[in-house]
Amino acid sequence: TQLLEQSPQFLSIQEGENLTVYCNSSSVFSSLQWYRQEPGEGPVLLVTVVTGGEVKKLKRLTFQFGDARKDSSLHITAAQPGDTGLYLCAGVKGYSTLTFGKGTMLLVSP
Amino acid sequence: GAVVSQHPSRVICKSGTSVKIECRSLDFQATTMFWYRQFPKKSLMLMATSNEGSKATYEQGVEKDKFLINHASLTLSTLTVTSAHPEDSSFYICSARPGTADTYEQYFGPGTRLTVT
Repeated sequence: TQLLEQSPQFLSIQEGENLTVYCNSSSVFSSLQWYRQEPGEGPVLLVTVVTGGEVKKLKRLTFQFGDARKDSSLHITAAQPGDTGLYLCAGVKGYSTLTFGKGTMLLVSP
Repeated sequence: GAVVSQHPSRVICKSGTSVKIECRSLDFQATTMFWYRQFPKKSLMLMATSNEGSKATYEQGVEKDKFLINHASLTLSTLTVTSAHPEDSSFYICSARPGTADTYEQYFGPGTRLTVT
C-alpha cells in the first residue's frame, strides 16, 4: 500500500502555464518535504512544511500543508523549461525515515 | 554546506561480481545514512538505514547478505552489491542525516548508476 499518493504522475505543459501537484495520504505526518530531481542526479530539497495549514513560497513555487497534516500541494506559477524534473513529496513521522510518494514528472516545453 | 558525495557515479560490472559504492558527507558528521534504490521514472525506495558503529537496519524484502552496508565512520558509509545480477541494475542513492538524531533533515548524494551485464 502506497502511503503517499501523488497526482498527476506525469504533466506536460507549455512555458508560462500554471500547474498544481498534489500529495495525499491517510496518515498524519509531523512534516512533509518536497524535492526536485533531475535525470541522473539525486533529489534536491525544495521545502519542508511542518505546521498544519502552513504556506511557503519559493519564488514561483507555492507549497501548502493541509490543516490535518495529511496532504500537501505544490503550485508553480508561469512554469519555465528549467522547472522540468521529477517532483517528489516525502512524509516524515517523528525523526524516522522518509516515505516518498511516487513522484510527478513535469515537462515544460518552450 | 551539507554536501554528500557518492563514488563512483557510474559503474558497469559483469554478472557475478561485487560492486562497492561509497557515500561520504563532506562537511558534516552523519550518525545516520540511508540507502535508496530508484528504478527509471520511479520513486525512491528505502533499502536500509545505516548507523555509525552498528549494524544496518534493512527494509522488508531487502536481502542483507546481498546488499552489505558498512558505516565505519561518521562521514562514510558503503554499500556493496554482492554477486550482482542484471536485475540489480538500478540507480542507488544515499542520504545523510547530520549530527544528533533529533532532526529530520537528510541530504542526498548525486546517485550511482549501476549496470550489470
